Amino acid sequence: NAGVMQNPRHLVRRRGQEARLRCSPMKGHSHVYWYRQLPEEGLKFMVYLQKENIIDESGMPKERFSAEFPKEGPSILRIQQVVRGDSAAYFCASFRGEISYNEQFFGPGTRLTVL
Amino acid sequence: KQEVTQIPAALSVPEGENLVLNCSFTDSAIYNLQWFRQDPGKGLTSLLLIQSSQREQTSGRLNASLDKSSGRSTLYIAASQPGDSATYLCAVRDNQGGKLIFGQGTELSVKP
Repeated sequence: NAGVMQNPRHLVRRRGQEARLRCSPMKGHSHVYWYRQLPEEGLKFMVYLQKENIIDESGMPKERFSAEFPKEGPSILRIQQVVRGDSAAYFCASFRGEISYNEQFFGPGTRLTVL
Repeated sequence: KQEVTQIPAALSVPEGENLVLNCSFTDSAIYNLQWFRQDPGKGLTSLLLIQSSQREQTSGRLNASLDKSSGRSTLYIAASQPGDSATYLCAVRDNQGGKLIFGQGTELSVKP
């Protein structure tokens, strides 16, 4: 049973380009969280998605960032017109459901570098 | 608004020493608390998960306690080894949507 998968593991973009980060949850998991770890900062929540629904996007920057979790395929975190300040490690975590006791399992992260 | 604080920010100990890492949180309305390990440039490794109804969890040389009413958790590492060197993160799962709220971490260095 494969764990949470993220790709690419490393992504380099120039300012103004788009970045697409993918997260495939564990088998049987229909809930995904995205977190961001800026250099020298802690991990911060960005968005919580279930299949085809955004449940909580209170941690997402208001502009340039979007996320989706389609019925089929991985969850996508999309960053348009990247800036240097977007350079960070982006982690996703999945869980089965029943928020109150189920553990979130983390992927290895995507490290985004904006030149 | 939930805030998680970890003390100390950094800790250096000689090999073999027992040590305690501290975590405090401001809102006791949590589902659970989790301790992670993160090596430089790497992802998160889950160490221990304590449900809100539990007082402690143990795994090998690690023991984590939870006092929800006082908003505190400790991670006890027995007989530390150089391989334990890493950043240790504490996170609480809030009951408003279930997101994890992380502390800033404690950077542990165990000297041989």
